[in-house]
This record gives sequence, structure tokens and C-alpha cells, in this order.
Amino acid sequence: DSGVTQTPKHLITATGQRVTLRCSPRSGDLSVYWYQQSLDQGLQFLIQYYNGEERAKGNILERFSAQQFPDLHSELNLSSLELGDSALYFCASSSVGAGGRYNEQFFGPGTRLTVL
Amino acid sequence: TQLLEQSPQFLSIQEGENLTVYCNSSSVFSSLQWYRQEPGEGPVLLVTVVTGGEVKKLKRLTFQFGDARKDSSLHITAAQPGDTGLYLCAGGSGGYQKVTFGTGTKLQVIP
Repeated sequence: DSGVTQTPKHLITATGQRVTLRCSPRSGDLSVYWYQQSLDQGLQFLIQYYNGEERAKGNILERFSAQQFPDLHSELNLSSLELGDSALYFCASSSVGAGGRYNEQFFGPGTRLTVL
Repeated sequence: TQLLEQSPQFLSIQEGENLTVYCNSSSVFSSLQWYRQEPGEGPVLLVTVVTGGEVKKLKRLTFQFGDARKDSSLHITAAQPGDTGLYLCAGGSGGYQKVTFGTGTKLQVIP
């Protein structure tokens, strides 16, 4: 158990809809990362938050947005969903910036999104 | 843009064989992590290497960071079916350790 929690575990929805994925980082970690992983693909970095502020952006679509709340949990919002958005979405947390020297990331179990 | 290329992309071997996975970049990293991911689950951190030339061992797994800190290798001795998974390297750089993930190596160990 990495200490990172993600909900829901599975999500099935239709094209055009909007969904919200939730992540709670490990206790004490201030950094949260979101990744997308399509079938048999590597990890695609979407976005990073540090203590409530956006720190870095990767290949995140304009239809996607995220935020980190004062209690450090984070939400990833996906809107106007398309078939190609079907993927595993992972959240990771890291202690970098909060005493951790290296960006060792601890991943949650993921949310499997299926868009029909 | 920092890129981490892993090779081979796919590897299917018999139980008991040895193998090496490579992670290469033209960029210098101040730290490098290796993760293993099983199907449907999140990646799990295996090791972090930070010093050029550093070697770390984790049971049958040996990790090495290149002298110039641009590349790394993962060697598995006497592979077991439990080693099956996607192996990812990740390089860290910058003040807040911006991380770049490698392209991944999918390993299958056949009993």
C-alpha cells in the first residue's frame, strides 16, 4: 500500500460527459502528479501541483483541468469526453519540497475510465 | 525536452535466464528511479540512484547509474515469473526534481 488513495476505481461514462477523479496523497506529501496511461502505453504526465499551486504542465488537454485543495487532496476534471480518453489515470505524490531530496513518486491504484 | 529511451521495448524470456534493461538519455539527471508496474496497478518504486557510477542491489536486481548520469541499467539474475511487469525508469532534475519517465520495458518471464 503506497498510502496514496484514488477514487473511484472504475468509471464508465458516455462521450460528451464530464467526470471528476479524486486523489489523496501520502501523509506529509505536498506534491501531487496526474498521469494518463492508455492501453500498453507508458505514462503520460499531465500536471503537477505543489501545496495548492500548479507547478508543471505536461500534455494535458484543454478539456482537462485539475486543482489541489487546502487539505492537499487533488481532483482531475475531464470534460467533453471522447472515446480516446479511455485510459488508466494515476495520481502520485512525492515529498519533494517537503524534505524529500529526490522526486520519488508513490502512485495510487489508479482510476480506470471507460468512455462509451 | 528531456527524453529517456528504454530498450528493449519488449522482452520475453524463460524462467532462470538473465536480462538487462537499458535507460538512455542525452540529458544529465541528478537522480534516477526505477519502477515496476503490474497490469492494472500503479507503478511501485524499486530504487533511486544519485551518484555517477553508483550500483545498488535489490535481491536479484542490480541497478547502475552511468558515470555521466545520463543512463542507467537494470540487470535481473535468474528471472522469476514474479518479475513480469512493465519496468519504467524516471530521471529527476532541477530544484524541484522535475521528473521525466522513460518509454518503458515490458518484461514477460515464462515459467
